Amino acid sequence: KNEVEQSPQNLTAQEGEFITINCSYSVGISALHWLQQHPGGGIVSLFMLSSGKKKHGRLIATINIQEKHSSLHITASHPRDSAVYICAVQGEYGNKLVFGAGTILRVKS
Amino acid sequence: DAGVIQSPRHEVTEMGQEVTLRCKPISGHNSLFWYRQTMMRGLELLIYFNNNVPIDDSGMPEDRFSAKMPNASFSTLKIQPSEPRDSAVYFCASRRTQNTEAFFGQGTRLTVV
Repeated sequence: KNEVEQSPQNLTAQEGEFITINCSYSVGISALHWLQQHPGGGIVSLFMLSSGKKKHGRLIATINIQEKHSSLHITASHPRDSAVYICAVQGEYGNKLVFGAGTILRVKS
Repeated sequence: DAGVIQSPRHEVTEMGQEVTLRCKPISGHNSLFWYRQTMMRGLELLIYFNNNVPIDDSGMPEDRFSAKMPNASFSTLKIQPSEPRDSAVYFCASRRTQNTEAFFGQGTRLTVV
């Protein structure tokens, strides 16, 4: 079993829809990261969180440490949100990130 | 700041040749990471440095891979000799501290033929 599991693997949504991507992990962590990778290949950090909730524009990330689960929400989705969203966990000690397989999101207009 | 800078962006080489990938982290960032991304295995950590010192190289596939960080502003990842299975996108990333977000370079797409 992978340390980090993401669901769904693929997601197609209509413009304007509310989107949720889930991430579950099996190890103790000090932080969880959400990353975005566009078709051009560049990777951008969206959030780093260790508890509660963070919001940036139309993006919201939540984490439940007890349940070892995090969600990334996109409100009022837009075609430019189409990308791969990657969850990564940082161990309790050190700097190392372990990555999920990613969720491929396509938002149609 | 220009962000994390990697070079080259694309590299095509023949099997058996030496390949050197380069990375310039963001100034003031104390940690530098080398990752490899493939369709089959996704993103994997190869090695990371704190304050120019290699901390964890457990992800380096084999002795053909080596990485150096001679100073705070430059790191190299070398593959010698290269093999077709090394074809992947190699990302460099840096962080100010382990409590801050990571910034990624644009990656180097390596093709070994």
